Order: sequence, then C-alpha cells, then structure tokens
Amino acid sequence: DAKTTQPTSMDCAEGRAANLPCNHSTISGNEYVYWYRQIHSQGPQYIIHGLKNNETNEMASLIITEDRKSSTLILPHATLRDTAVYYCIVRRPVAGTALIFGKGTTLSVSS
Amino acid sequence: NAGVTQTPKFRVLKTGQSMTLLCAQDMNHEYMYWYRQDPGMGLRLIHYSVGEGTTAKGEVPDGYNVSRLKKQNFLLGLESAAPSQTSVYFCASSSHQGDYNEQFFGPGTRLTVL
Repeated sequence: DAKTTQPTSMDCAEGRAANLPCNHSTISGNEYVYWYRQIHSQGPQYIIHGLKNNETNEMASLIITEDRKSSTLILPHATLRDTAVYYCIVRRPVAGTALIFGKGTTLSVSS
Repeated sequence: NAGVTQTPKFRVLKTGQSMTLLCAQDMNHEYMYWYRQDPGMGLRLIHYSVGEGTTAKGEVPDGYNVSRLKKQNFLLGLESAAPSQTSVYFCASSSHQGDYNEQFFGPGTRLTVL
C-alpha cells in the first residue's frame, strides 16, 4: 500500500469549507484513495473513496489530482460535529485485508 | 439494522484474568476484523476472518485468540490479560462484494488491565 502524508492538525470555522490534504506520491495505478474519520471515542466511519475521478456524496467531496499523487477531502460546510481525526488511506481493493491507519489529521471546528 | 455491535462497552481486568469480547454484525458480511487502538495512535489489526470457521493473524496477534463459529459473530479472547493489553478494541466487518475496503466499525470496548 502506498504511504500517505497528512498534516497533523487543522482548524476550521463553523460553516466554512474544510479542505484536508493528503499526499500519496507513490500511489500505483490500481490503488484507491479512501477517507475515514474517527470522532472522539467512537469507531472509525467511512466517508468517501475514489480512484481517479472526483467523487461527491452526502458527506463530502474528494478531489484527486490528475497525476493521482495527492488528494483533498472537502467538507463543504463544516459543523462542530465534524471535529474528528481524518484518515487518508491508499490501497488496492483486496478482499479481507486490514485498513492501515496512520496518525491522520485532527480537524478542529470552532464557532 | 444495528450494524456492528460490541459487548461489553467497558471492562476492568486484573493481570492474569481472562475474558472474551463479542462482536456481532447483521449485514451478512463475510469479513470481520479486530483492531486495537492505543492513546494517540492509529488502529492496528489483531486478527481477522474471511469467513465462517476461518481466522488469520494480523499485525499484533500475540496474547489474543479469536473464533468465528458463526458468520455474524467474531470473538476475541484474552487468555491471561496483561497491562500492555489496556486499549480500546474495535471490531469491523466488510462485504466480499463490491468495494472490499469499506469497513463498518463497532463502537469499541474499553479495556483496562490492572
């Protein structure tokens, strides 16, 4: 699995867009980019994933650069409840294998 | 659907005691996983199962055993608890179809070993 690099922490004002970057310069052609988050004391929660096209769902948007070496998770209107640790994970969709969680980015949303 | 549930939510053990953590999922998932999370760190895989009756070791399996006698349940056992096993334990499950990496996590079990 490709290594990922994320900032340790970020701040965002409530109601503003939160843009969380992730570098994955060694990503290979069949590896996907996944985003999970973990709100304090809870289990991780899947947010979104993509291969090369930008993706959007009810929670967030995922922008992947054309060379696929980096991506950005966008929470369009951050709320206090979005305060969490956000994990960017790059791997092949191989059945029955673990997700490798690094240290992630701690996003703090304040009013 | 309840999703993934874990029992118990909290537990305090003395060194040397044994216990079993239960994970149950109602999504008919083939794959199930046990992770542990220590303060300030990411999750690490302990054991996993790709189907009923099968288990495999993950990154940190020592001191733990698992069983998958029924598809919906995945048990994690500590035969002789040690203080180093103080952690938060998360169970997860995923389907064998579609996107293999979308894992659904339980709420966690907080274990303290004195």
